[in-house]
Amino acid sequence: EVQLVESGGGLIPPGGSLRLSCAASGFTVSSNYMSWVRQAPGKGLEWVSVIYKDGTPYYADSVKGRFTISRDTSKNTVFLQTNSLRAEDTAVYYCATEVGVTGQFDNWGQGTLVTVSS
Amino acid sequence: DIQMTQSPSSLSASVGDRVTITCRASQSVSTYLSWYQQKPGKAPKLLIYAASSLQNGVPSRFSGSGSGTDFNLTIISLQPEDFATYYCHQSQNTHTFGQGTKLEI
Repeated sequence: EVQLVESGGGLIPPGGSLRLSCAASGFTVSSNYMSWVRQAPGKGLEWVSVIYKDGTPYYADSVKGRFTISRDTSKNTVFLQTNSLRAEDTAVYYCATEVGVTGQFDNWGQGTLVTVSS
Repeated sequence: DIQMTQSPSSLSASVGDRVTITCRASQSVSTYLSWYQQKPGKAPKLLIYAASSLQNGVPSRFSGSGSGTDFNLTIISLQPEDFATYYCHQSQNTHTFGQGTKLEI
């Protein structure tokens, strides 16, 4: 059974950093495209970043230069390093997999809340 | 960037009704279009992928249609558990979500 478990969220002041983790089971993270999607309180879904099977990363313009996606295949875990955090980065961060060839997010974790506030 | 516009933003319906939610892309996304259901405090759940393919385990009262720029999600015979927020999502060029449609009783 595919399972994704996020961790690492918390309360952080503006300008701070957090590293979010997404531990996967039931598949290997290097065999799928892995994305981070976030949702601000009471708002819609916003795609943040993806890491392809070959390790190539892509980012939304809103986080480019501040966030870095990576993976550790030995831990079967994907990470999102978030730097220079702003109030508008406050959100629940979900990791999600693209299993199919048409880019849909087949599996989601339960999310981890990041709150940027002084 | 491809923009996705859903309508309506909210919708009131009753158990047993048929409802349709529309999603329009700012440029063609072919059939790289999926639909998700989200309930409060929960992660989104995939319902439809490739515009019209039903995800395993999703009831057949859900269906999707469309290609290019115009897409629909239809739910026939609404059940109490269907009252939730629905999002469309394009994956033709990175990823973009619609703003969501809240389906209320």
